[in-house]
Amino acid sequence: SYVLTQPPSVSVAPGKTARITCGGNNIGSKSVHWYQQKPGQAPVLVIYYDSDRPSGIPERFSGSNSGNTATLTISRVEAGDEADYYCQVWDSSSDRDVVFGGGTKLTVL
Amino acid sequence: QVQLQESGPGLVKPSETLSLTCAVSGYSISSGYYWGWIRQPPGKGLEWIGSIYHSGSTYYNPSLKSRVTISVDTSKNQFSLKLSSVTAADTAVYYCARHLYGSGPVDPFDIWGQGTMVTVSS
Repeated sequence: SYVLTQPPSVSVAPGKTARITCGGNNIGSKSVHWYQQKPGQAPVLVIYYDSDRPSGIPERFSGSNSGNTATLTISRVEAGDEADYYCQVWDSSSDRDVVFGGGTKLTVL
Repeated sequence: QVQLQESGPGLVKPSETLSLTCAVSGYSISSGYYWGWIRQPPGKGLEWIGSIYHSGSTYYNPSLKSRVTISVDTSKNQFSLKLSSVTAADTAVYYCARHLYGSGPVDPFDIWGQGTMVTVSS
């Protein structure tokens, strides 16, 4: 089965840039989606199809995907960005599986 | 706007079947889109359970496939999850969600329900 690897935690000071990675075998050939989840709340889609941003999501959120790593970048980080972030892909191999990464806790210092 | 609301028992006994329903408002399921179930054990990450199209076409998580049935009732504008032979490992918050566009599970989940906690315990 396909595996997505995320760092358990990332810390960043307010106003700086946070980069959260999502590693997977040749993930650049797949479409990656990113979700933000705050405590006690349902996940919210923040980036889809590698780099598209849903309406209502600040331009500070961006995404890229190449080779074996996809990256969610949050510029000018704010205290309200503190949350868990999950990457997700569709594995269309024989398993045909929606796969989530293990999640990254973003801490704003 | 489109809203999803999960409902069902909050407590299920081991070996029994977990049954949940997701009521959709603001959109007719029969008009399209895929609809899915995702769960999250306490303090852990997200796990996809499966997805269904309004026609009844389904995709299931290979690791859960033998125990999962997802169905759709267009007359009630809802879809349902049944998970059989549950154990404590199935204790989780269960979310229903909509896949953006209509391509299938390749699309992201753009609208989520608030989630419902299900505990498996005797």
